[in-house]
Amino acid sequence: SQQGEEDPQALSIQEGENATMNCSYKTSINNLQWYRQNSGRGLVHLILIRSNEREKHSGRLRVTLDTSKKSSSLLITASRAADTASYFCATPQGSGAGSYQLTFGKGTKLSVIP
Amino acid sequence: ETGVTQSPTHLIKTRGQQVTLRCSSQSGHNTVSWYQQALGQGPQFIFQYYREEENGRGNFPPRFSGLQFPNYSSELNVNALELDDSALYLCASSSTDNAQETQYFGPGTRLLVL
Repeated sequence: SQQGEEDPQALSIQEGENATMNCSYKTSINNLQWYRQNSGRGLVHLILIRSNEREKHSGRLRVTLDTSKKSSSLLITASRAADTASYFCATPQGSGAGSYQLTFGKGTKLSVIP
Repeated sequence: ETGVTQSPTHLIKTRGQQVTLRCSSQSGHNTVSWYQQALGQGPQFIFQYYREEENGRGNFPPRFSGLQFPNYSSELNVNALELDDSALYLCASSSTDNAQETQYFGPGTRLLVL
């Protein structure tokens, strides 16, 4: 089952513009993570924000977390053509003695037009 | 530090056959998780292995099975392949030292079942 749901499903912007993607989740979390996937390849971890953090920055990335609304947003500033990819939010869910799984949303497909 | 590797990169099988996918975890990581990603969807957790034992399982039938070896590498086996098993299979490694935090993904194996 999907824990997170990204919005929008697809986003097309011009190079240099900012891109904002949103994620909603259903259950309580310890942290929320964002991953990027280029054209059906492996996922690359972008950033992790803990449940006691409200905002976090990494380079051109800015992530916010609102645990009261069970939502997060990922902002990519000054986008580049190389940012074209699918972006997923993921939350860790425990499923046994010390194990955990990442539960992903369906992703936002970002296209940055040069 | 070597990253996560998977083999093969692509595979074509026919319905009813069996398949084995392989994964080498990142150096220093002792936990391996497997995910299935259907086209246009987010990854779905299959199972996780730690200390050569299954340590959590998602909503997948028993014909999906796995192994973890003493060097922490892993195999995913799927018996009696069905058309719906066509997907990208992702392996991710992590360390119990930072449970519920970042997982490092391999490039994936794309399986097509005809």
